[in-house]
Amino acid sequence: RKEVEQDPGPFNVPEGATVAFNCTYSNSASQSFFWYRQDCRKEPKLLMSVYSSGNEDGRFTAQLNRASQYISLLIRDSKLSDSATYLCVPKGGYNKLIFGAGTRLAVHP
Amino acid sequence: ETGVTQTPRHLVMGMTNKKSLKCEQHLGHNAMYWYKQSAKKPLELMFVYSLEERVENNSVPSRFSPECPNSSHLFLHLHTLQPEDSALYLCASNDVLGGENSPLHFGNGTRLTVT
Repeated sequence: RKEVEQDPGPFNVPEGATVAFNCTYSNSASQSFFWYRQDCRKEPKLLMSVYSSGNEDGRFTAQLNRASQYISLLIRDSKLSDSATYLCVPKGGYNKLIFGAGTRLAVHP
Repeated sequence: ETGVTQTPRHLVMGMTNKKSLKCEQHLGHNAMYWYKQSAKKPLELMFVYSLEERVENNSVPSRFSPECPNSSHLFLHLHTLQPEDSALYLCASNDVLGGENSPLHFGNGTRLTVT
């Protein structure tokens, strides 16, 4: 089983749509979780941390389900600039961040 | 953003060359990382230096040799590489003493092509 599994997509959505991505992780000892976004041929950039109670940052909402070992990201009112690959990142042992392969989002006019 | 700077941005080298990638962070962090990203694959962790000590070496071939002279600088020395080593090499840093939610900050990466 892969350490982090994500649907590669692509998710093709119109502007203004709501889209959700899920991610499952295998290490039950993971304590910290992040979502990063990566634009084509660029470095990953932190989108948001994921807290146990769930958290929201503007149009973005992250949820964590420890029992089922999955993390979700919801994007409301999609913008063209949201087009990117979204990487799910649980933190493993000794500060080791494990990157998923990512889910590609394409927002069209 | 200039928090983590990598040079060069692009590198083309032959299989018999020796070159080095450089990374510098200006964020006051105490851990630095090398990741490799091949086309359509997830980032692969190569090396971790935490508090200037190497703590992770993910079965990386010996033709890749890291060096961390201090907490702000990280090098990746390359020699006798193979074409399959062509990839984007990303440096990152964070604060390992900053608690569980200390995210990584990445440099722009070095796009390496081995001919």
